[in-house]
Amino acid sequence: QVQLVQSGAEVKRPGASVKVSCKASGYTFTNYAMHWVRQAPGQRLEWMGWINAGNGNTKYSQKFQGRVTITRDTSASTAYMELSSLRSEDTAVYYCARETTAGTWDWFDPWGQGTLVTVSA
Amino acid sequence: DIQMTQSPSSLSASVGDRVTITCRASQSITSYLNWYQQKPGEAPKVLIYDASTLQSGVPSRFSGSGSGTDFTLTISSLQPEDFATYYCQQSYSTPMYTFGQGTKLEIK
Repeated sequence: QVQLVQSGAEVKRPGASVKVSCKASGYTFTNYAMHWVRQAPGQRLEWMGWINAGNGNTKYSQKFQGRVTITRDTSASTAYMELSSLRSEDTAVYYCARETTAGTWDWFDPWGQGTLVTVSA
Repeated sequence: DIQMTQSPSSLSASVGDRVTITCRASQSITSYLNWYQQKPGEAPKVLIYDASTLQSGVPSRFSGSGSGTDFTLTISSLQPEDFATYYCQQSYSTPMYTFGQGTKLEIK
C-alpha cells in the first residue's frame, strides 16, 4: 500500500538545524510531488514547501524562505526537509504529504506519521 | 498568499446532530477546496476534494458545497468517531496550498 514513513523525533538547541526524512513506498516516487506541512502545538496546519520529485524543482512558503531546504533522493524514494536557524517557535510536528491528483484537482494523501521537533535550550 | 478563514473555531454538538462548518477564501478559488479531518495524535485525512467530491471510503454523511470564496462542510448525523478537528485547504494557488485555522468539533 502507499505509505510515507518519517524519521524519528528530534531535540535541537536554538540556532541548530534539523533534517527530517520521508521514505515513500507503494508507488513510483518520481511521479508525484511531495509537500511539507508543520503543526505547532494547538495551532493550524502550516504549508512549508514542495518538491517535484521527478525534476527536483522546489517552492517554499515566504515565511520559511532562506531557512528551509527540501531535497529528494530518487534512488532511496526519500524526501528530506531541512530547517536551519531553529528557534523555540519551530517546535512542532512536521509532516510530509504526497500530492494526489484527479484531473486538475490536487489534495494531500497519504501523509507521513509526523515527526516531532522540539527546540529547547 | 490566499488566506483561508474557518468558522466557528470550535463547536459543541451531540451524536445525531447535523453540523455545518464554513470556510472562506480571501479571493476566488473556484472549486479548488479540500476538507480534512484530524484526530488527536494523527495525521490529517482527506474527506472531500473539488469542494464537493467525496474521497473514496468516506461516509456519505459528509458533504461539501460552495464555489468562489464561500464553502461549507456538512455532517448530516454526527457519529462518535466524527469528533475531531476539521481543516479546509485551498488547492488553487499551485503549489502553495494553505489551510484554514481549523474547527474543533467537541461532544456536548
